[in-house]
Amino acid sequence: AQSVTQLDSQVPVFEEAPVELRCNYSSSVSVYLFWYVQYPNQGLQLLLKYLSGSTLVKGINGFEAEFNKSQTSFHLRKPSVHISDTAEYFCAVSDYQGGADGLTFGKGTHLIIQP
Amino acid sequence: KAGVTQTPRYLIKTRGQQVTLSCSPISGHRSVSWYQQTPGQGLQFLFEYFSETQRNKGNFPGRFSGRQFSNSRSEMNVSTLELGDSALYLCASSTGVAGVYEQFFGPGTRLTVL
Repeated sequence: AQSVTQLDSQVPVFEEAPVELRCNYSSSVSVYLFWYVQYPNQGLQLLLKYLSGSTLVKGINGFEAEFNKSQTSFHLRKPSVHISDTAEYFCAVSDYQGGADGLTFGKGTHLIIQP
Repeated sequence: KAGVTQTPRYLIKTRGQQVTLSCSPISGHRSVSWYQQTPGQGLQFLFEYFSETQRNKGNFPGRFSGRQFSNSRSEMNVSTLELGDSALYLCASSTGVAGVYEQFFGPGTRLTVL
C-alpha cells in the first residue's frame, strides 16, 4: 500500500514571497506523483505530475515540483505567490500498475496568502 | 468541451435512507473514479470504473456501490445512510486508467445526513 504525508496543514505566506509545500510518500513500488489544487467550493484541478524523466516538473500557474527518489519527496514550489493562489493543495500518488489502491491523496495543505 | 458534471450538487438525507449520486464524465473519457472528502479523513478513494467494469475499490463498506453505463456515465449508491457518510463526494474522469492519466474532477455533491 502507498501513503502520502503532507507535513504542513497550513502555510501562511506574504504576497510575492516564495513558497514550498512539502510532500513525502511511501510505496513498495515505483510511483507516479501529482499535485492538485482545490479552490473553495470547487473540485480539484491538476497542477502538475511526475511520471518519468526529468525530476523537475513544471506545471500551471507558475508552480513546479522536484521528485527526489532517495528522500521519497515531491515538494511543490512557487517563486512568487499571489492572492489568487489561496487554496487547498493536495499531493497524490499512484503505483505503476495504474493505482491498485486508486489515487492516494495527502491530507492537504491550506495555503494562505497575506497581503 | 464540457467538464465533469455531478448531480445533484446538494443533498440532505436522514439516517437509514439510501442515496444515488450521478456523474457525467467528459466526452470520450472511459474511466470514472469516485472519492469521498471529509475534514477528518481528507480525500479517500471509493472506486474506479473503466468501460463499465469496476477496476479498483477502496476500503469502504459494502453499503457503498457504483456502476457505469455504456455511455460512461456513472452512479454511486449509498444504502442505509449513517451520520458519518456526510461528506463531499467527488467524481473524476480520465481518458485512461486513473493514476496514470490526468483526472478531471467535477464540483462534487455535498451530502448531509441528519
